[in-house]
Amino acid sequence: GNSVTQMEGPVTLSEEAFLTINCTYTATGYPSLFWYVQYPGEGLQLLLKATKADDKGSNKGFEATYRKETTSFHLEKGSVQVSDSAVYFCALSPIPNFGNEKLTFGTGTRLTIIP
Amino acid sequence: EAQVTQNPRYLITVTGKKLTVTCSQNMNHEYMSWYRQDPGLGLRQIYYSMNVEVTDKGDVPEGYKVSRKEKRNFPLILESPSPNQTSLYFCASGPSVVETQYFGPGTRLLVL
Repeated sequence: GNSVTQMEGPVTLSEEAFLTINCTYTATGYPSLFWYVQYPGEGLQLLLKATKADDKGSNKGFEATYRKETTSFHLEKGSVQVSDSAVYFCALSPIPNFGNEKLTFGTGTRLTIIP
Repeated sequence: EAQVTQNPRYLITVTGKKLTVTCSQNMNHEYMSWYRQDPGLGLRQIYYSMNVEVTDKGDVPEGYKVSRKEKRNFPLILESPSPNQTSLYFCASGPSVVETQYFGPGTRLLVL
């Protein structure tokens, strides 16, 4: 079945540091890939997504590139802010109509940014 | 305002007492799903529904039931809750499984 392996946390960085959160996946065919973010006390919300190989998703200074050759979708940001402190989830959706409509999430990475 | 609502937000109950957590969306989405979030285990899908009257098991369906009689509502039923179902639960909806999912605010459940 499909699976997502996400970088273990927690991750603590200083403000303006460079961020990378690793995500690799196992899936049949060409799934869609997502990063969701969960701020304290809230539900998850979409951060960015990519639907095919070599697509780059971007939002709020975050980027991730869909790499089929390495089955990866690593999240990056050049200069983090205190407001980026949250839990980040990598997720995969299957190709529809293949008899499996389950979404698969990683275990989440808690990010804390210190001033 | 486009949103997914869940009720209740917090619930304390005892083992074996049936409960229902409601979920409603106002975006006319076809795909709805339930998740539980546990420390170290991330987010795991319990059940999902591709449309009215169409539901299927996710990765951790044991001990849960769902129904989808109307497009907007997708209640989660715990017929006989046990302490291992103590968790944070999220409902989500989206136009389809491959598109952005919109999450509710969560329901924190404690089963004593």
